[in-house]
Amino acid sequence: LAKTTQPISMDSYEGQEVNITCSHNNIATNDYITWYQQFPSQGPRFIIQGYKTKVTNEVASLFIPADRKSSTLSLPRVSLSDTAVYYCLVGDKGNQGGKLIFGQGTELSVKP
Amino acid sequence: GAVVSQHPSWVICKSGTSVKIECRSLDFQATTMFWYRQFPKQSLMLMATSNEGSKATYEQGVEKDKFLINHASLTLSTLTVTSAHPEDSSFYICSALRQGTTNEKLFFGSGTQLSVL
Repeated sequence: LAKTTQPISMDSYEGQEVNITCSHNNIATNDYITWYQQFPSQGPRFIIQGYKTKVTNEVASLFIPADRKSSTLSLPRVSLSDTAVYYCLVGDKGNQGGKLIFGQGTELSVKP
Repeated sequence: GAVVSQHPSWVICKSGTSVKIECRSLDFQATTMFWYRQFPKQSLMLMATSNEGSKATYEQGVEKDKFLINHASLTLSTLTVTSAHPEDSSFYICSALRQGTTNEKLFFGSGTQLSVL
């Protein structure tokens, strides 16, 4: 199973762009990269998923270099409500039956 | 987006009793569901993989007789904490795997806070 490494915590201010990088050196060919957001006492919420290059949706962008050994979640113009823990996961149903192992995540604190 | 419903959201029980937690995929069928537990300020820890129509697969260190999992239909998995003790108090979260044409996505329930007195 691919292991992920993220910064434990990050601080930011409202209106700034936040980039959270995740390392996954042992990512397998069939693995996708998925990011989740979790608020206290709630289940994780899907943010974005990608395989390579760049993916963008209404809430975030995901940048994946050619070697896929890392990925960066970009949150544009964060607000106080973006304060949460962000998890980067890699996995593939074919290799793991969909099983995803959570790393420690990045606790993002957005200040006014 | 896909919705996974988890019930109850919180439960308080006496030591020695059993508690059942339900996880339902509301708008898709899920042959595979997962159960996690989470302690305060810690990450999610995978407990078991629930497969529709077959026995669950438990992670190392998780007692299968303690945490009974049943996945009788494509939209429902249940976790029963048997003979609960205070050390079983935790936040339990389920997830359901939605299969797509090229990839799969995991959607999570809102979690169940279990407090054992």
